[in-house]
Amino acid sequence: QKEVEQNSGPLSVPEGAIASLNCTYSDRVSQSFFWYRQYSGKSPELIMSIYSNGDKEDGRFTAQLNKASQYVSLLIRDSQPSDSATYLCAVNSVGSGNTGKLIFGQGTTLQVKP
Amino acid sequence: DAGITQSPRHKVTETGTPVTLRCHQTENHRYMYWYRQDPGHGLRLIHYSYGVKDTDKGEVSDGYSVSRSKTEDFLLTLESATSSQTSVYFCATRGGLAQYFGPGTRLTVL
Repeated sequence: QKEVEQNSGPLSVPEGAIASLNCTYSDRVSQSFFWYRQYSGKSPELIMSIYSNGDKEDGRFTAQLNKASQYVSLLIRDSQPSDSATYLCAVNSVGSGNTGKLIFGQGTTLQVKP
Repeated sequence: DAGITQSPRHKVTETGTPVTLRCHQTENHRYMYWYRQDPGHGLRLIHYSYGVKDTDKGEVSDGYSVSRSKTEDFLLTLESATSSQTSVYFCATRGGLAQYFGPGTRLTVL
């Protein structure tokens, strides 16, 4: 069974620090990787997508992909209390053809302390 | 924001009653998905649709059915609700390679 693994946390960082969130996946041929942010009681919101090995930066967020090691990470620079949320890693389900099905990790809860 | 709405946003029902949840999108996206989210289980796919009248099962489809008669609407039906179906239900659409989520429906089955 294809899996996406995340440490559930909570990951606690002080305001202004770098938060590092990690995700590993089991399907070696996965091609599309996503990070979603979910505030308590709200729906998941897409914040980053990455498809190629290396880094992709968007503002304070950097997604890193290493297909050889089968992990994807999300770095949040200058963490703010408003970044406190659960971060979900999602990977495309290759065996499903072109259905766009994603496999989600259970999420890592981030707490940014003022 | 993919322009997705869900109705109702909250519902309390009794065991054995039928329940229908509605997802409406304004983006003309072909693919739509229904998930449930429970503590300890994360997001799990119930059913998905790849076009009008084209649907398929996800990993937790037992006890659920879906219909899609128009591109913009995707309905999820619990034929006879059970307490194990108490959950938060999210609809999503596919734009490009990513999925975009609606606001969710909190369903309680007593």
